[in-house]
Parts: sequence; structure tokens; C-alpha cells
Amino acid sequence: DIQMTQSPSSLSASVGDRVTITCRASQNISNYLNWYQQNAGKAPKVLMYAAGTLQKGVPSRFRGSGSGTEFTLTVTSLQPEDFATYYCQQSYRLPYSFGPGTSLDVK
Amino acid sequence: EAQLVESGGGLVKPGESLRISCEASGIIFSNAWMIWVRQAPGKGLEWVGRITSKTHGGTPDYATPVSGRFTISRDDSKDTLYLEMNSLRSDDAGVYFCSTVGWDIGDCNATRCQTFYFMEVWGKGTTVTVSS
Repeated sequence: DIQMTQSPSSLSASVGDRVTITCRASQNISNYLNWYQQNAGKAPKVLMYAAGTLQKGVPSRFRGSGSGTEFTLTVTSLQPEDFATYYCQQSYRLPYSFGPGTSLDVK
Repeated sequence: EAQLVESGGGLVKPGESLRISCEASGIIFSNAWMIWVRQAPGKGLEWVGRITSKTHGGTPDYATPVSGRFTISRDDSKDTLYLEMNSLRSDDAGVYFCSTVGWDIGDCNATRCQTFYFMEVWGKGTTVTVSS
């Protein structure tokens, strides 16, 4: 199975800040990488697929990049609703494993 | 509007079985590929398994920790997805979410195109507790 890791595991920031989360795969997954956002007590929501393609309705302040084994999710100007937990997921090979998550909270 | 509603969660003892359901509305369920994901209390997301549409074989695939104990099935006449869980353990406890599989086509070469799969519409989840 493909293992996914994320760093940092938690991050504190302020509204208006730019933050970056890194996701790494244990093998080459090309650009088969999804990002999800989960607010406390809620179901996750897909932000991005194919490493950098925004899902419909997701604000353009979310940007994804990367290929192979290293990927990043950047939020260019944090808004109050962005404080949540973020997960990467590979869709290169079954089972479609998730990273352990990055919790983003208010500084 | 697409909606998924999970049900059937509850308290079971270790070693017991439970079947949970996910009822869909606002989508053509028979065309949908479906996924189960779970989340242990205070932990991250864990992919449990996927089932394709019947026109694509209706084949289920499972994560290693649940393979041989869990069975995913679907009843397209009822727009409902199921997860039958046997030999439940304490580490199976958590919130179980169902979702639809979204997809998009990427770059193509002479023989094939990239197909990107992601979890598109999610239910609110149902809670499974495993305790003696």
C-alpha cells in the first residue's frame, strides 16, 4: 500500500497569513493527489484533485502543486472559515490512502 | 441537490456484526461509484473501500485492515449502499462516511487518458461504537 505523510501535523496562523502544507507519498504517484478540508464535527470536503485542479466552488486562494512524491497545498490569504484540518489522499493505486492530516488553528 | 444519508450505526460488542447503510438522493445512484471512509475518535480519515457501478462490474475493493471482514454492496433499486461489518474490533470504532466518486479526465497520450478520482459528495456519517 502507498503511505502518505504530511507536515506539519499542526500549524497556527492568523487571518490574512499565507500557509503551506506538504504531503509526501512513499512512491511516485504522478499527480494523482487530492486535498480535502474538514471542519470540526463535519464531513470532509474536496478542495482539489490532480494535485492542482480546484474543485468547483473552491476559492482561488487555495493552490496545489507537485508531482511524483512531493506535493504542497498553499492558502494565500487565510480567511476565518479556513481554520480546519487538511488531508491529502492519493488516487494512484487502490487502496486510496490518506495522509494523517494537518490541523490549522488560530494563532 | 445530491445528498447521502448514512444510518445503522450503534453500539456492538467485539466480535459482533453490524450493517450500516447510505441512502442517496439527487443522483443517478446506479451510475455512481461509491466509497466508505471512517474516522476513529480524534483521528484522521481512513479509506475503507469502494464499489464501482454495476455497468463497471460492481466490484468492491477494500483496505487491508478490513479485507475479509467487511463487505460493501449496493441495491440500485433502493438507491442504497451498504457496509456489512463482521468480527468487529475496538479499532473499527468511529464515524463512517459514505461518498460518491467524482472523476475528471486529464492528459491523454496515444493509448490512454489520465482519470482522476476523488470523493465528491459526502454524507454526515454514522457512528459505530465497539465496546464490551
